[in-house]
Amino acid sequence: AQSVTQLDSQVPVFEEAPVELRCNYSSSVSVYLFWYVQYPNQGLQLLLKYLSGSTLVKGINGFEAEFNKSQTSFHLRKPSVHISDTAEYFCAVRSTTDSWGKFQFGAGTQVVVTP
Amino acid sequence: NAGVTQTPKFQVLKTGQSMTLQCAQDMNHEYMSWYRQDPGMGLRLIHYSVGAGITDQGEVPNGYNVSRSTTEDFPLRLLSAAPSQTSVYFCASSYSSRPYGYTFGSGTRLTVV
Repeated sequence: AQSVTQLDSQVPVFEEAPVELRCNYSSSVSVYLFWYVQYPNQGLQLLLKYLSGSTLVKGINGFEAEFNKSQTSFHLRKPSVHISDTAEYFCAVRSTTDSWGKFQFGAGTQVVVTP
Repeated sequence: NAGVTQTPKFQVLKTGQSMTLQCAQDMNHEYMSWYRQDPGMGLRLIHYSVGAGITDQGEVPNGYNVSRSTTEDFPLRLLSAAPSQTSVYFCASSYSSRPYGYTFGSGTRLTVV
């Protein structure tokens, strides 16, 4: 079984400042890793995913994440945030041996961007 | 537009009532699932299906039933609603063999009083 820990429940950040959202996972097998974003009163949207290859993954809206196998982490970053980035962000993992869709989600990190 | 459609968007139930949350997708995804979202707990898997006629339990299945008679539809039934089932429910779908991640519906906000 896998588990996901998002280390910050809420991250306040000023507009145009950088932000990093931390995600650590535990698993006895290889995993695929995902970040999702949820805007208020909406469903989740896929930001980016790591399946294999380069450990630096670029996603939509200027976000990127780096897979660190030795530290079992998959932190999400954006160099300069906008007000519109205010949302909740979820890290998710899935074992490479499970069927697609059987994800384990973290508890979420609420990002609040202020002017 | 292609995607996952959930109905209703909002629902208030009295304790003991039953109801069905509807979920339909038009992307020919094999895999469909139901999650509930509660503050500070992320998303927890209730039930999932890997194809028509095949369903299985997730992390928190008690009090819920599902069936999958077609590829497109995956309804979630609450048999006898309890206040602990107050939550936001999301349906999601994906291909079973392609690493594209989930497509989520917009959610159903359920309150049980």
